[in-house]
Amino acid sequence: DTGVSQNPRHKITKRGQNVTFRCDPISEHNRLYWYRQTLGQGPEFLTYFQNEAQLEKSRLLSDRFSAERPKGSFSTLEIQRTEQGDSAMYLCASSRGRNRYNEQFFGPGTRLTVL
Amino acid sequence: GIQVEQSPPDLILQEGANSTLRCNFSDSVNNLQWFHQNPWGQLINLFYIPSGTKQNGRLSATTVATERYSLLYISSSQTTDSGVYFCAVDTGNTPLVFGKGTRLSVIA
Repeated sequence: DTGVSQNPRHKITKRGQNVTFRCDPISEHNRLYWYRQTLGQGPEFLTYFQNEAQLEKSRLLSDRFSAERPKGSFSTLEIQRTEQGDSAMYLCASSRGRNRYNEQFFGPGTRLTVL
Repeated sequence: GIQVEQSPPDLILQEGANSTLRCNFSDSVNNLQWFHQNPWGQLINLFYIPSGTKQNGRLSATTVATERYSLLYISSSQTTDSGVYFCAVDTGNTPLVFGKGTRLSVIA
């Protein structure tokens, strides 16, 4: 299967712990996006990469959040000192990002619960 | 930033009925996508439709870019169509901005 994959699918942690999520995009997609979705809302943009460069970060991305895409392939999203308000579904998407055509394809998400 | 409004917020249909979901947006867009989010949270691509009309089986979509709206038509609805339908737009190689979705329940 060549879709976007995310691991883990579920994560339960205690407040104050650090967590890291991984996203593997569709191969040959040079753009990778992270979104967060809370209950009853649409996904909200966090950050995105073109190849290994992080080009944009939302103000939702506090100092406790960091994302990397070291070789322009997979990406990791780390949350330090988790808070209960971080509980959400974290979604990753990728796209070719060529010219004006930029259809995004989403992974299954990582559901984070902070106790 | 651009605003995306979807209507109705909730919709209950009898199996076999047809429905129309609407997405209004506040600025010119480069990209518009419709998604179906299943009960497990997976966003499934339905249409990439910045303008014009497309059809895929029982689903079709129309975007009138000059009037800043898009419509998603579901015909002969089935219980498996239940879930949340999202419209999302970008204004030019930017991240997608999502509406709040339409929650559809199809009952047998």
